[in-house]
Amino acid sequence: ELKVEQNPLFLSMQEGKNYTIYCNYSTTSDRLYWYRQDPGKSLESLFVLLSNGAVKQEGRLMASLDTKARLSTLHITAAVHDLSATYFCAVALVDSGAGSYQLTFGKGTKLSVIP
Amino acid sequence: DGGITQSPKYLFRKEGQNVTLSCEQNLNHDAMYWYRQDPGQGLRLIYYSQIVNDFQKGDIAEGYSVSREKKESFPLTVTSAQKNPTAFYLCASSISWFRDRDLSATNEKLFFGSGTQLSVL
Repeated sequence: ELKVEQNPLFLSMQEGKNYTIYCNYSTTSDRLYWYRQDPGKSLESLFVLLSNGAVKQEGRLMASLDTKARLSTLHITAAVHDLSATYFCAVALVDSGAGSYQLTFGKGTKLSVIP
Repeated sequence: DGGITQSPKYLFRKEGQNVTLSCEQNLNHDAMYWYRQDPGQGLRLIYYSQIVNDFQKGDIAEGYSVSREKKESFPLTVTSAQKNPTAFYLCASSISWFRDRDLSATNEKLFFGSGTQLSVL
């Protein structure tokens, strides 16, 4: 059974500071996703990481994937209030025989950026 | 605009009642999914469907049922057997792995609807 663990689950940080959210998973996968969710809203796709060593950046967010360590990080640079949200990582398992595809989500990291 | 539409946004269920949540997509995606989200928790997979007239149970299928009679539609019924139905329900769709074996070329990902908040009266 695939387990996905995020930490921290809650993060309060001041504007302008840097921080990293970690996502560990238990089963080999080369496909990891990061999503953002605002309160009462749906999930917005941030990054898709498809191979070992993949790094993607969008604005103040940068995501990386180390498939050997089964670890992905979401780094926040010089945080601003607009980044306050809950961030989820999700790991994909592809069953090539059945042709099925499933995502297992972490519990999410609730980020609050304080002015 | 292409996307996924969930309705209603809010739904209330009485004891012993079945309720159905609607999910429609016009993205021409083969695969569709239902997730349940409880406060402070991640998303848990209820059911998924890779193709019309076929669907599989996810991790928490008990007390739920689905149908996939059309490619565009994947309704979820919360039955009276689901004793703790209060949650936020999210529908998603994606390109099927069957159709595109090289997912890296498509940067494949799940597209989510706006969600339905189900509460018990």
